[in-house]
Amino acid sequence: DQQVKQNSPSLSVQEGRISILNCDYTNSMFDYFLWYKKYPAEGPTFLISISSIKDKNEDGRFTVFLNKSAKHLSLHIVPSQPGDSAVYFCAASRKAAGNKLTFGGGTRVLVKP
Amino acid sequence: GAVVSQHPSRVICKSGTSVKIECRSLDFQATTMFWYRQFPKQSLMLMATSNEGSKATYEQGVEKDKFLINHASLTLSTLTVTSAHPEDSSFYICSARDYRAPDTQYFGPGTRLTVL
Repeated sequence: DQQVKQNSPSLSVQEGRISILNCDYTNSMFDYFLWYKKYPAEGPTFLISISSIKDKNEDGRFTVFLNKSAKHLSLHIVPSQPGDSAVYFCAASRKAAGNKLTFGGGTRVLVKP
Repeated sequence: GAVVSQHPSRVICKSGTSVKIECRSLDFQATTMFWYRQFPKQSLMLMATSNEGSKATYEQGVEKDKFLINHASLTLSTLTVTSAHPEDSSFYICSARDYRAPDTQYFGPGTRLTVL
């Protein structure tokens, strides 16, 4: 049973345009959500996070939106740059469960120059 | 800040041998570290949670006698793959949680294990 899903395995976007990555979850007990970026043969790099008490968090080119009623979050990257080409994972956690991360399957983003 | 290192980055070993992987938090103290495994083109799967000074907590289906975890200090956790077999070949990644900001995990660069 996959509690965190990223339904788009890949995304292609033109440099300068917006990249929108989506993530859905089923466990309403999750109270913290994170996005990570990963290159092949490297560990994930933390990008941005959001607590369940908020609906938006912004950090530079990255904005994460949380819709608790829909159990959906999204990551917006604007403007997209070729260096953003990587696999992006969303993850969810619960404080009561020791903040263990449950990852989605990942979305591969390709930013074309 | 929030740098996590792993050593070695790559290891090739013969079937039946044991391999130790180190995970260090370089600029913060990590009371909790996590060990993940990633198969090709798949997501990260949590193997175990390592708490400093106590026994590790393993996820369902992970053999604790196969994957020995030691978290002897606030900056070091080790994963030992005992009697490795080809099916243990994988990408192993650790993460560490800064006790001052426990909601976020910072990941190491990973270790590619190949068992011949």
